[in-house]
Amino acid sequence: GNSVTQMEGPVTLSEEAFLTINCTYTATGYPSLFWYVQYPGEGLQLLLKATKADDKGSNKGFEATYRKETTSFHLEKGSVQVSDSAVYFCALNIQGAQKLVFGQGTRLTINP
Amino acid sequence: ETGVTQTPRHLVMGMTNKKSLKCEQHLGHNAMYWYKQSAKKPLELMFVYNFKEQTENNSVPSRFSPECPNSSHLFLHLHTLQPEDSALYLCASSQEATGGANYGYTFGSGTRLTVV
Repeated sequence: GNSVTQMEGPVTLSEEAFLTINCTYTATGYPSLFWYVQYPGEGLQLLLKATKADDKGSNKGFEATYRKETTSFHLEKGSVQVSDSAVYFCALNIQGAQKLVFGQGTRLTINP
Repeated sequence: ETGVTQTPRHLVMGMTNKKSLKCEQHLGHNAMYWYKQSAKKPLELMFVYNFKEQTENNSVPSRFSPECPNSSHLFLHLHTLQPEDSALYLCASSQEATGGANYGYTFGSGTRLTVV
């Protein structure tokens, strides 16, 4: 089946630290991959996406590269800010399927 | 403004009450979804509507009853809920159900439901 596994949280970093949140997937077809972010008290917002192997999605200083050989889509940011504190969800969708499959989410806290 | 509006933002209801959650989008999307988000559990897909037709019911108990009168509106009718149904209920939309592969979803801010 199709599934997404994210690194266990919570993750706590200091401001300006380098961030990596790992995401690996299992898929029966050729998925599109997404990162969503959920700020406190809000719904999920699309952060970035990649629709084919070797694509790099980027937004707000975050980036992730679709690695087919390692079935991964790790989220990175070079210098995090307090405002990046949120829960981050990795997700996939198979072309023709009706639903996004989400990982369990990783809570990120950035301390000043 | 996310483009998907959910009301109410917060709801407290007794186990014998009947209430409804509302979701509205004016993005021109044709697919709408209900998700349940509980503490320390993954997001659970509940229902999928594509062009107003229900295309997926993810084994949701009958005390949750969805309604989609048109492509812009989605309701979740609640009755005789249990305390374990307390959660954040999220609505989402996409251009069409099978189009989520390229476009992703737009989510509302959710309704925080507490069953007492």
